[in-house]
Amino acid sequence: SYELTQPPSVSVSPGQTASITCSGDKLGDKYACWYQQKPGQSPVLVIYQDTRRPSGIPERFSGSNSGNTATLTISGTQAMDEADYYCQAWDSSRAVFGGGTKLTVL
Amino acid sequence: EVQLVESGGGLVQPGGSLRLSCAASGFTFSSYWMHWVRQAPGKGLVWVSRINSDGSRTSYADSVKGRFTISRDNAKDTLYLQMNSLRAEDTAVYYCIRGVNSGGNDLDYWGQGTRVTVSS
Repeated sequence: SYELTQPPSVSVSPGQTASITCSGDKLGDKYACWYQQKPGQSPVLVIYQDTRRPSGIPERFSGSNSGNTATLTISGTQAMDEADYYCQAWDSSRAVFGGGTKLTVL
Repeated sequence: EVQLVESGGGLVQPGGSLRLSCAASGFTFSSYWMHWVRQAPGKGLVWVSRINSDGSRTSYADSVKGRFTISRDNAKDTLYLQMNSLRAEDTAVYYCIRGVNSGGNDLDYWGQGTRVTVSS
């Protein structure tokens, strides 16, 4: 079955750029999405179709996807961005999520 | 405002059944694909199932195929998940989600979730 691999944790200083990767076989041939989940809350879609931001998502969130890796980039990271982030793609009509990355802003 | 409100969770014994419901409002429910995703305590997100706008097409994760059934009532703006032969590993918060764009593949609005606990 298809798998997506994310680093368990990423740390970033406030104001710096955070990059979270998501790896999967030929992931660049699929669309990747990213979800943000804060403690005790439901996930929120922050990037879809590799690079697109839903309305209401700050411009500091951006995405890319090529080869075997999709990347979520948060520019000028703020304390409020501390959360778990999940990538997701579709394979054989089934959605697959990465294991999640805990972003710590310190 | 888009709202998805899940209900029907609770404690059930292994081998038992439960039906989850998701009441939708704030959008034309009958025009959208819908999904269920679950999250075990302290774990990540796992996709469970999806259904197209008129209910004619469904798909399931291998882990629930044959045990769970997704359905919808567009007249009542409600999504369902019938869960049979429940196992301890089905314990999770279950989220109802709207899908948008091609094939409803982008999960843009999530409910608050309903908790299912399978235990004797």
